[in-house]
Amino acid sequence: KAGVTQTPRYLIKTRGQQVTLSCSPISGHRSVSWYQQTPGQGLQFLFEYFSETQRNKGNFPGRFSGRQFSNSRSEMNVSTLELGDSALYLCASTGTSGRGEQFFGPGTRLTVL
Amino acid sequence: AQTVTQSQPEMSVQEAETVTLSCTYDTSENNYYLFWYKQPPSRQMILVIRQEAYKQQNATENRFSVNFQKAAKSFSLKISDSQLGDTAMYFCAFMKHDLGMDDMRFGAGTRLTVKP
Repeated sequence: KAGVTQTPRYLIKTRGQQVTLSCSPISGHRSVSWYQQTPGQGLQFLFEYFSETQRNKGNFPGRFSGRQFSNSRSEMNVSTLELGDSALYLCASTGTSGRGEQFFGPGTRLTVL
Repeated sequence: AQTVTQSQPEMSVQEAETVTLSCTYDTSENNYYLFWYKQPPSRQMILVIRQEAYKQQNATENRFSVNFQKAAKSFSLKISDSQLGDTAMYFCAFMKHDLGMDDMRFGAGTRLTVKP
């Protein structure tokens, strides 16, 4: 079974631009979570989607948004990029065993110049 | 709110020896999951071991085991017979056992270096 995939793997943007990141969960997984990882703040939860609905949201400004499609693929969008948005963005899908474990993708490394 | 604390930013261990990474957490929940994840340099985060709070028995996965102390809200990871491939960032994580609450809270991580 293929793992969680994220595209693109690397992105360079400038301040003020917007960006869209994509995540495809493991086949059969319906829950997708997004995290931001930075050296200063560590791993922070952004939001979680299940069956095309946002179920949970972390403490991030409204510039960060996401959505999920009927095939469980998810996208996150960041508008009006700031230098501080430079980070590794990780996507994770939750297993169907009810055991709670999340399976992570390789991440998208976003650099904002 | 749940918080996870890893008090050891960096640790090192000699190959073949045993090392223990510490993690404490704060929660008022009774049912939850605890995890240790490993993130090797420039590589993907992978699950090392998980523990359900209602289980008193400590989880074990090959060379990895945990010491789960629910009353003390402590969840340490022991790595036996350390190998060079164990070099990585290790994150302790907490998640409520609640349908529709798949947000995982992570500690700041411990950078483990296994020395030859």
